[in-house]
Amino acid sequence: DIQMTQSPSSMSASVGDRVTIACRASQSIGSYLSWYQQRPGKSPKLLIYAASSLHSGVPSRFSGSGSGTDFTLTISNLQPEDFATYYCQQSYTMPKYSFGQGTKLDIK
Amino acid sequence: QVQLRESGSGLVKPSQTLSLTCAVSGASVNSGAYSWSWVRQPPGKGLEWIGSIYHSGGAYYAPSLESRLTISIDESKNHLSLTLTAVTAADTAVYYCVRVISGNLANWFDPWGQGALVTVSS
Repeated sequence: DIQMTQSPSSMSASVGDRVTIACRASQSIGSYLSWYQQRPGKSPKLLIYAASSLHSGVPSRFSGSGSGTDFTLTISNLQPEDFATYYCQQSYTMPKYSFGQGTKLDIK
Repeated sequence: QVQLRESGSGLVKPSQTLSLTCAVSGASVNSGAYSWSWVRQPPGKGLEWIGSIYHSGGAYYAPSLESRLTISIDESKNHLSLTLTAVTAADTAVYYCVRVISGNLANWFDPWGQGALVTVSS
């Protein structure tokens, strides 16, 4: 099984900041990585697929990078609605999948 | 616009069977263009993929649940079904159904249903 590890598990930031969330796979997964945002009490929403492709309708302040085992999600110019929990997910072993444990981003 | 809506048993007694359905609108469950998955989230915890199914009926399950979990497609109703037997408190979670899109470099989950909370308690 491929294990996905996110860091940090939680973080605080201010509106206007630039933040980076890391996701590491236990083995190489190419670009088979997606990022999701989950606001409290809501369903997760797709942000990034194939490691760096921005999903339709997602603001351009979100970006993804990486390949192999190390990936990052960057949010520039944080907005109030961005304070949420973020998950990475690998699809290298499709049709079986796994998620990172999540990174909770809250307001400093 | 594709929409997914889960429904089913909200409270299940330990050792009994959990049953959920996911009504799909805006897409056909028997389309070869997509597959479908279920993801669950225990209260206050992270996301756990539990199973996937293709239009052909081929299903794949998380190893930890394989002996208790069945996912199926009902083409006539355009919905998905999930059955989990012999439940325990550890199965208490919000259960989401999702559409899986396959691309050249990855698969991804979009959209997600609104989720159905299932509580296992006597």
